[in-house]
Amino acid sequence: DAGVIQSPRHEVTEMGQEVTLRCKPISGHNSLFWYRQTMMRGLELLIYFNNNVPIDDSGMPEDRFSAKMPNASFSTLKIQPSEPRDSAVYFCASSARGNLGLTQYFGPGTRLLVL
Amino acid sequence: DQQVKQNSPSLSVQEGRISILNCDYTNSMFDYFLWYKKYPAEGPTFLISISSIKDKNEDGRFTVFLNKSAKHLSLHIVPSQPGDSAVYFCAAPRGAGSYQLTFGKGTKLSVIP
Repeated sequence: DAGVIQSPRHEVTEMGQEVTLRCKPISGHNSLFWYRQTMMRGLELLIYFNNNVPIDDSGMPEDRFSAKMPNASFSTLKIQPSEPRDSAVYFCASSARGNLGLTQYFGPGTRLLVL
Repeated sequence: DQQVKQNSPSLSVQEGRISILNCDYTNSMFDYFLWYKKYPAEGPTFLISISSIKDKNEDGRFTVFLNKSAKHLSLHIVPSQPGDSAVYFCAAPRGAGSYQLTFGKGTKLSVIP
């Protein structure tokens, strides 16, 4: 059974460019989370979708960040324009409803470097 | 404001000995806790959890202890193996019924052969 899939695994871009990160959650999971990991702040929740609907985007740092989930099997996180301080590892995670709903399954992450 | 705190950024333990990783929390409403393990270049993976109605949960070499009065939980690994070398995060749901987790900053465990 495939886990959470993220692409690309690595992204190097120049300041000002648009960056799009992609995520495919585990089939049957109806909650999806985007996280950012940095040395200073650890793992931060950026946005949370339930049944493809954004529930809480209070963690999105600025208007430069946006996320969509057009269907149950795909989500994107976009940064436009990107800045060097956006350099981090971005994780996508998914979970299912029910007693195991609190257990989130993470993808391998996208390591973003903005020059 | 960190509601889940892991005050030790790193820990080194000899192979075969016990590893004890600690986590403190500030919100007494937290009723469920999880531990995740993360290897380099991989995403965190779920390890073990505990509900606040229990004070101990065991899974093989891994045991989590919860002390609600002290708002403290710990993860014990016995015996420690080199493959346990990773970063360990504790996490808790943000509120009752919430599916959103707040994570500690992690403790890097190194098990020395």
